[in-house]
Amino acid sequence: GNSVTQMEGPVTLSEEAFLTINCTYTATGYPSLFWYVQYPGEGLQLLLKATKADDKGSNKGFEATYRKETTSFHLEKGSVQVSDSAVYFCALSPPSGGYQKVTFGTGTKLQVIP
Amino acid sequence: GAVVSQHPSWVICKSGTSVKIECRSLDFQATTMFWYRQFPKQSLMLMATSNEGSKATYEQGVEKDKFLINHASLTLSTLTVTSAHPEDSSFYICSARTSGRAWTDTQYFGPGTRLTVL
Repeated sequence: GNSVTQMEGPVTLSEEAFLTINCTYTATGYPSLFWYVQYPGEGLQLLLKATKADDKGSNKGFEATYRKETTSFHLEKGSVQVSDSAVYFCALSPPSGGYQKVTFGTGTKLQVIP
Repeated sequence: GAVVSQHPSWVICKSGTSVKIECRSLDFQATTMFWYRQFPKQSLMLMATSNEGSKATYEQGVEKDKFLINHASLTLSTLTVTSAHPEDSSFYICSARTSGRAWTDTQYFGPGTRLTVL
């Protein structure tokens, strides 16, 4: 079946540091890939997505590239801010064809300190 | 962008009572809505998938008689936790999916409902 593996957290960084959160997946075909962010006490917000190989999703300074050859979708940001502190979930949605069930990773907590 | 609301945002109830949580898509029609449960410091667990006008599809291990789901319209789905007990205390999150080409569909999440059963 489909699965998503994320690096375990928490990740603690100083403000303006470079961020990488690793995500790899297992799926057949070409799934769509997502990063969601969850701020404390809130639901999930879509951060970015990519729907085919070599696509780069980007939003709010975050980027992730769909790498089919390494089955990865690592999240990066060049300079994090305190306001980026949240839990980040990598997820995949299978290719078209009926019942679309999203598979989530376990989440990685990011804490940015001033 | 697509907005999904949930009501209430938090609820405290006594053991044995039932609680209804509403999920609404505010600016789009959602052919499919999903209900998730999130335990502290864990990922989301899909409970069930509901399509407008049909019975919900429950994931393995989820009691359909305890977690009643109704998807009465293209903009509203409700989750009723019947005879709630303290172990049902959790963060419940709904999401809605727009119709269209399946491989571009994105789920839009509600802000979640914190249920505490005393």
